[in-house]
Amino acid sequence: DTEVTQTPKHLVMGMTNKKSLKCEQHMGHRAMYWYKQKAKKPPELMFVYSYEKLSINESVPSRFSPECPNSSLLNLHLHALQPEDSALYLCASSQSPAGSRYQPQHFGDGTRLSIL
Amino acid sequence: SQQGEEDPQALSIQEGENATMNCSYKTSINNLQWYRQNSGRGLVHLILIRSNEREKHSGRLRVTLDTSKKSSSLLITASRAADTASYFCATDLQGGSEKLVFGKGTKLTVNP
Repeated sequence: DTEVTQTPKHLVMGMTNKKSLKCEQHMGHRAMYWYKQKAKKPPELMFVYSYEKLSINESVPSRFSPECPNSSLLNLHLHALQPEDSALYLCASSQSPAGSRYQPQHFGDGTRLSIL
Repeated sequence: SQQGEEDPQALSIQEGENATMNCSYKTSINNLQWYRQNSGRGLVHLILIRSNEREKHSGRLRVTLDTSKKSSSLLITASRAADTASYFCATDLQGGSEKLVFGKGTKLTVNP
């Protein structure tokens, strides 16, 4: 069992749908991350939140909208996605927003997203 | 942008053998980390080595770091079928970035 919980595990949606991915951690971590991972590829960073504030946006299209309601929760709101957005979306957290220096990231098992 | 490059891309060995994976990176780093990813699961942190360290051990894992060559290796000794997974190195960027940049990964298959 992982300490970072992501829901749902699988999501199929049409290009006109609006859906949200959720991530939760109760380790007291103050940095949280969203990654996108395509098959047989490494994770690619999308967003970083430090102390509930967005600190890094890796030029992600606006059809992906992150939200951090509190220090334990991270959401990714999806709207008007494209078929190429089909991927595994991973959430991670680390102890301090001082950066990932000397600190591992803890990953959830991801949401497998398919866009029809 | 990609920082780390692992080789080999795929490695198939028999149970009990040792597995060695290599990672090269391009820019100066604060630390290098290795992660494992089982099929359909998230990444699991294995070991972190700081830029001023040369070698680190954790159970059956041994990691080396050569900052002059900008390379690292991960050795798994006495491999088990349960070690079958993809292994990624990840580096931060010296200067305080919150980013971790992952290499392409090595797919390890341990045959029973």
